[in-house]
Formats: sequence, C-alpha cells, structure tokens
Amino acid sequence: VLTQTPLSSPVTLGQPASISCRSSQSLVHSDGNTYLSWLQQRPGQPIRLLIYKISNRFSGVPDRFSGSGAGTDFTLKISRVEADDVGVYYCVQATQFPRTFGQGTKVEIK
Amino acid sequence: QVQLQQWGAGLLKPSETLSLICAVYGGSFSGYYWSWIRQSPGKGLEWIGEIDHRGRTNYNPSLKSRVTISVDTSKKQFSLNLNSVTAADTAIYYCARELLVARGAFDYWGQGTPVTVSS
Repeated sequence: VLTQTPLSSPVTLGQPASISCRSSQSLVHSDGNTYLSWLQQRPGQPIRLLIYKISNRFSGVPDRFSGSGAGTDFTLKISRVEADDVGVYYCVQATQFPRTFGQGTKVEIK
Repeated sequence: QVQLQQWGAGLLKPSETLSLICAVYGGSFSGYYWSWIRQSPGKGLEWIGEIDHRGRTNYNPSLKSRVTISVDTSKKQFSLNLNSVTAADTAIYYCARELLVARGAFDYWGQGTPVTVSS
C-alpha cells in the first residue's frame, strides 16, 4: 500500500511544495532497483510521467521537479511552484505485482 | 512523437463485456510493456494488467478472473476485455506504455475512455 501525504497542498506561487509517499513494504527490487515513479494529472491533460526510479527526471520535465527517498519513504519536491503545476500528483510502485498507486495529492495555488 | 489512441463502448449493462482497443502511433512496439489502468472516484488509479509484444501478460489478481489483454503487433494495437461488468467497473480506462528498463515509468498515456455500467 502506498500512502501519500498531504492529500491537499495549497501553495503560494514561487514557493516550494513537497509530497510524501510511504510504502507499507520496501520497494527495493531483487535486481537492486527501486521502481517508484511520480505522475502528474492536470485538468484536461493526459497523465504525465515526471520521475522514475525514485529520482530520474523524465525527458522534458523541468528541473524544479525532483524525487528522492529510499526503501519505503519517498518524496517529490517542486522547488518553486508555478501556475502550470496545479493538478494531482501520484506515486506508483512497480517493484511488486500488482502495480499500485498512491491516493493522489492535489496541488493548488493559495 | 508517440501517441496512444484508444476507443471502445462507453455504456454497458451489468454482466456485459467491456472491450477497449489502444492503437500505438510512432515509436517501436517491442521493448515496452503495454498497460491498462483505470481511474474511478472511489478507488483512484488501479492497475489492471499489462502485455508485451510477445503476448506475455501480467494481471491484477483482483480482476484476473475477468480480464484478458491481448496484442496485435501487425496493427500495433493492444486490447482489453473485462467480462461480467458491474457498476463497480464504472471508471475512466487508460492505456499506457511502460518502459521495460524502468518499470513503473508509464511514459505515454491514452486520452482515457469513460465507461459507465448501468442497467
């Protein structure tokens, strides 16, 4: 089970935001990798991959997005929130079957 | 540019079979896993299952008895069949591509197909 906190994050433009994703089990795969990704869902837009394998930024993702963590605790940080970042953020694990998602964290502007 | 375009019936009656197809435009069909994921207000995002270009599948145990995912590599399409649907299967269904070398990296998504199950 992946548990995200907070479920809602009102942020002032230009300020940082941080989302936590905690797993009930270690997400370290037998191959040594940790398959934890972060997705963004903006209103009216396709779901977008931001981060994979904890901290690898996907192609085209701005460097204000960063991922960190290990084992069971992971964090997505937005260094300076922009209006375009409003949406819901999900963590997803692919270390185990079935793949599972966090409940989602809604980022909105104060 | 990779695009996933999906289609299928959006309104079903209980006990009917949900059938969706996802076509892949641009990029290779091999070297990836092709997934179905659904999103409902009550359960959030739920992974249904995946298939690779060779037809190897993995399913969510919670749906395994009712799900079939198949692939047609000649058309670069993969499909989802979910039988004996109930109102609990009402959701937006997405197809997505997952990187083989970075599991969980769902890098391209379809636009989503809303499916409603109602008598």
